[in-house]
Formats: sequence, structure tokens, C-alpha cells
Amino acid sequence: DADVTQTPRNRITKTGKRIMLECSQTKGHDRMYWYRQDPGLGLRLIYYSFDVKDINKGEISDGYSVSRQAQAKFSLSLESAIPNQTALYFCATSDGPRETQYFGPGTRLLVL
Amino acid sequence: GNSVTQMEGPVTLSEEAFLTINCTYTATGYPSLFWYVQYPGEGLQLLLKATKADDKGSNKGFEATYRKETTSFHLEKGSVQVSDSAVYFCALRGSGGYQKVTFGTGTKLQVIP
Repeated sequence: DADVTQTPRNRITKTGKRIMLECSQTKGHDRMYWYRQDPGLGLRLIYYSFDVKDINKGEISDGYSVSRQAQAKFSLSLESAIPNQTALYFCATSDGPRETQYFGPGTRLLVL
Repeated sequence: GNSVTQMEGPVTLSEEAFLTINCTYTATGYPSLFWYVQYPGEGLQLLLKATKADDKGSNKGFEATYRKETTSFHLEKGSVQVSDSAVYFCALRGSGGYQKVTFGTGTKLQVIP
């Protein structure tokens, strides 16, 4: 089984809808991250969490919120989706500030 | 701030050809440098890394050397295979405390038989 899983893998939604993307990990890592990938822009950090009570904004947090329900779960919400949030979203984990990041398979989101 | 610049793709090579993907960076201090690979339909996975100047990271026949004098971390492989077709991301993490990882824009490699 995969160490970092994301649900759903694909999602189509309409402008203005609330949507939640979920991430679970079995690696036992404290640190979790949400990124979005856009063609020609690489990966950009949305939010990161060092533990359940420590959540921080990344470089592009506007329009997003997160919830760290447990060490193993980190959810990303779009409160009111807009078309320019159409992207590929990745969750990642790491075991420390200087450790390798492990990525989930991604969620492809289309906002109409 | 920190930044990573890598060559644009796509790069198309014949099987067994030599591969170079250029990556240069801007950062203060002594960042750690990485290459990640993304196979179709999958998330990124670490390919190799180097944490100090003149270090050489290597894995699966790929190599990259941390060159501080030229602020570069070019990825090379002597003989590519069809299975190497993927998108390759150069990345850095700054030094000192927690520093987020900064990714390049990715280079798509297609290897044809």
C-alpha cells in the first residue's frame, strides 16, 4: 500500500462550490505539506504543518484553508472554488526540517 | 529569495543517448540541492540529492554534482532508457532553520526506442 494517499484522485467542480481534498500517510511523519502544480510553474507551497497544532501558510495560501485532524491526516479546502484553482494538487510528508519529502499521487482538480 | 532555473523541455532522446538537464540556482548560504522525478500519473519522488559543495549525488545511473562556483546542479545519465521518460524537477532547500523547498519548473524527458 502507498505511504501517502490522496482522495479524490480526480475532481470536477463548479465555481463557488466548497471542496475538500484529503491526504493520509502511514509513514509516521510529523510534517505535512500541500502543493499545487501548474504547467510551466513547477510546484508551489500552499500550506505546511509541523504537527497537529502547528499550521503555517505557504507562498500561495489565499483562497485555501487546511485542517490537521491527526498526525496522519491533512486536508486542504477550497472554500469557494474559482477556475484559476484548476491544477494538480500534491500532498507531501517529511520526517524533519531537512529530510526528504515523500509525495502522494496527486489530485487533479478542474473548476468550471 | 531562493530560486531555481532549469532548462525548458521537452527533451527528446533516442534510447542509449547521453542526457544532460541543466539546473542553476540562486540562494544565500549553503543550500541542499535535489533532483526529483515524476513518472506519468504519479507524485514526485526523490532521485538524488547533495548537501554540500562538490558532493555528487547518484542513483539509478543518474548523477549530479553540487558546483558552488557556478551555482549549478546539472543532471546527467550516460545511457537513457525508455523507462526514464518522466518529468525531472531540480529543487533546493535553503540553509538555516526551516527552509521550504523551492522547485524548478520541471523538464519533460521523452526517450524513444
